[in-house]
Amino acid sequence: DGGITQSPKYLFRKEGQNVTLSCEQNLNHDAMYWYRQDPGQGLRLIYYSQIVNDFQKGDIAEGYSVSREKKESFPLTVTSAQKNPTAFYLCASSGFGDWHFGDGTRLSIL
Amino acid sequence: AQSVTQLDSQVPVFEEAPVELRCNYSSSVSVYLFWYVQYPNQGLQLLLKYLSGSTLVESINGFEAEFNKSQTSFHLRKPSVHISDTAEYFCAVSRTSGTYKYIFGTGTRLKVLA
Repeated sequence: DGGITQSPKYLFRKEGQNVTLSCEQNLNHDAMYWYRQDPGQGLRLIYYSQIVNDFQKGDIAEGYSVSREKKESFPLTVTSAQKNPTAFYLCASSGFGDWHFGDGTRLSIL
Repeated sequence: AQSVTQLDSQVPVFEEAPVELRCNYSSSVSVYLFWYVQYPNQGLQLLLKYLSGSTLVESINGFEAEFNKSQTSFHLRKPSVHISDTAEYFCAVSRTSGTYKYIFGTGTRLKVLA
């Protein structure tokens, strides 16, 4: 079945550490997105990519980085510059008039 | 730019009662409109969408939403809710051309009481 896989489901970060969240899709979608979800704030766009080897900043890109070397993959790195990384992170893809979301990764600080 | 407002952060309702979750949007260009549902620690599932045509759209589990262009609204309704409808509901808009990124509202937590 086609879909989006996010891993891990839960992730813990130590102070000063970078961590990478994985997002893989087998839907052949061109566009992929990363959203951050905080209670009471809905979903805010971090980065998005409409084509391989190209990506744009969303509304809250500071402290995050991404790459899009393959169509299927759009990993998100939460750097040590992100001072408040505790949140639920959702990856999405779109194509052919359709959107799909992964099941999310919950990141916490140790 | 587009924006979405969900004024109600929480809506408690008794089982089998009707419910309306409000969504208003702002945009200078044409948009598509969506409602998503999220259960705890899960991703988002599409509930229904308005792309064009009939302004009343329905989902398979009894929800419906009506696109009202003059009031820039896309309220979600269900005539009789079940305990299993307890979840968070997000309204979203997307441009009809150009960059198709979603803009989400802040969400409404629907709690159905027995």
